[in-house]
Amino acid sequence: GDSVTQMEGPVTLSEEAFLTINCTYTATGYPSLFWYVQYPGEGLQLLLKATKADDKGSNKGFEATYRKETTSFHLEKGSVQVSDSAVYFCALTTDNAGGTSYGKLTFGQGTILTVHP
Amino acid sequence: DSGVTQTPKHLITATGQRVTLRCSPRSGDLSVYWYQQSLDQGLQFLIHYYNGEERAKGNILERFSAQQFPDLHSELNLSSLELGDSALYFCASSPGLAGGRKEQFFGPGTRLTVL
Repeated sequence: GDSVTQMEGPVTLSEEAFLTINCTYTATGYPSLFWYVQYPGEGLQLLLKATKADDKGSNKGFEATYRKETTSFHLEKGSVQVSDSAVYFCALTTDNAGGTSYGKLTFGQGTILTVHP
Repeated sequence: DSGVTQTPKHLITATGQRVTLRCSPRSGDLSVYWYQQSLDQGLQFLIHYYNGEERAKGNILERFSAQQFPDLHSELNLSSLELGDSALYFCASSPGLAGGRKEQFFGPGTRLTVL
C-alpha cells in the first residue's frame, strides 16, 4: 500500500535559519505529492503541491521538488520566521493510468516545527 | 478560510453514545472526505463520497457510517462510542478527481471527547 515517511521531529530553529523537512514515499499508481501545514488549533492548509516528476511546488517561500528517482519530496525554506511554527504534513494521492485520483490522502506522521526569535 | 464548514467544533459525550458530525463542502465541490487525527494513529483516511455515492473506504470502523446528501453536505455518524474514539475529525472537499482538481480543502475539524 501507499505510505509516507517524514523525518522525525520536532524541529527547533532560530529565526532566519534554513529549513529542510525530509519526506519519502512509496506508492502504487501515479502519485501526486502535497505539503500541508497545520497551525495550532486550526485545520490543515495546503502549502504546496506537485503532480508529476520533476515538478517544483512553491508557496510563501517554501519549495519542494518531486523526485521520482529517490521517491522524495523534501520541504525547504531559506529563512524561517516565527510565524512558520506549525505542524507540517507530507501527503500523497495516487492516480490511475487515466489520471483520475483514487481520492484519499495518505499522510506522513507530521513534523512539529518551532521557530524561536 | 477554506470554505469548508464543520459543526460542531467541540463535542463531549459518554461511552456508548452516538454522535453526528456535519460537514458542508466548498461551493461546487462534489467530493467529501473524512479523516481522523489522533495522537497514536496520526491522520487517517476514513471514507470518501463523490456526488452522493460512496467511493472509497479506509480504516473506518463498522460502528461508524457516513452519507452525502443531495445538497452535497455530509454527515459522519459515530455510534457505541469508546474512549479510543476521542480524536479530531476533519472533513475535506475537492472539486473532482482528475488533473489539478485533486487538491483537498480542509475544514477546521470537530474535536470529539469521549468520557
